[in-house]
Amino acid sequence: GESVGLHLPTLSVQEGDNSIINCAYSNSASDYFIWYKQESGKGPQFIIDIRSNMDKRQGQRVTVLLNKTVKHLSLQIAATQPGDSAVYFCAEIKAAGNKLTFGGGTRVLVKP
Amino acid sequence: EPEVTQTPSHQVTQMGQEVILRCVPISNHLYFYWYRQILGQKVEFLVSFYNNEISEKSEIFDDQFSVERPDGSNFTLKIRSTKLEDSAMYFCASSELEGGEAFFGQGTRLTVV
Repeated sequence: GESVGLHLPTLSVQEGDNSIINCAYSNSASDYFIWYKQESGKGPQFIIDIRSNMDKRQGQRVTVLLNKTVKHLSLQIAATQPGDSAVYFCAEIKAAGNKLTFGGGTRVLVKP
Repeated sequence: EPEVTQTPSHQVTQMGQEVILRCVPISNHLYFYWYRQILGQKVEFLVSFYNNEISEKSEIFDDQFSVERPDGSNFTLKIRSTKLEDSAMYFCASSELEGGEAFFGQGTRLTVV
């Protein structure tokens, strides 16, 4: 069956350090992956995406890595800031579909 | 910056009552979605809508649920007879392309008492 899951429910990180959030997926048919950030009381906010024909994509302070061999996705946040404190979800879309399947979420707490 | 807007932000209703949650997707988007998030849990897909019809729905989206695009701008989710377990945040989203980046609204918190 399809599932997207997260290894760590909570990640505490010192301000200025790098954060790494991991996600495992099981659906080989997924070809599009997105990381969303959700702050308290708000809707998911797009951070970065990656297609299955890529293994790395960089944005501003964020990098997403995709390892299709082991069905693993990660989000790296460089120089984590207090504003990065939120819950982060990975989500996948199957080829020829448009439904997002979300993982369980990882809470990132940035310590000053 | 264009955004998805949802009203109301919070809805309290009695069990068995009908509720309508409203959404205004981004104007040039063609694909519309409803998701829900029970407190402390992950975001779950409910339904996707394209070209004035449902394109996909989940097991959660049973006969009590319906969606409509009554005019050129609004996209609504109706729950006919609410149950306690319908209490959740309901998010509307839209995307320009099929399988493309979905933009989410701020959500409607539905509380069924």
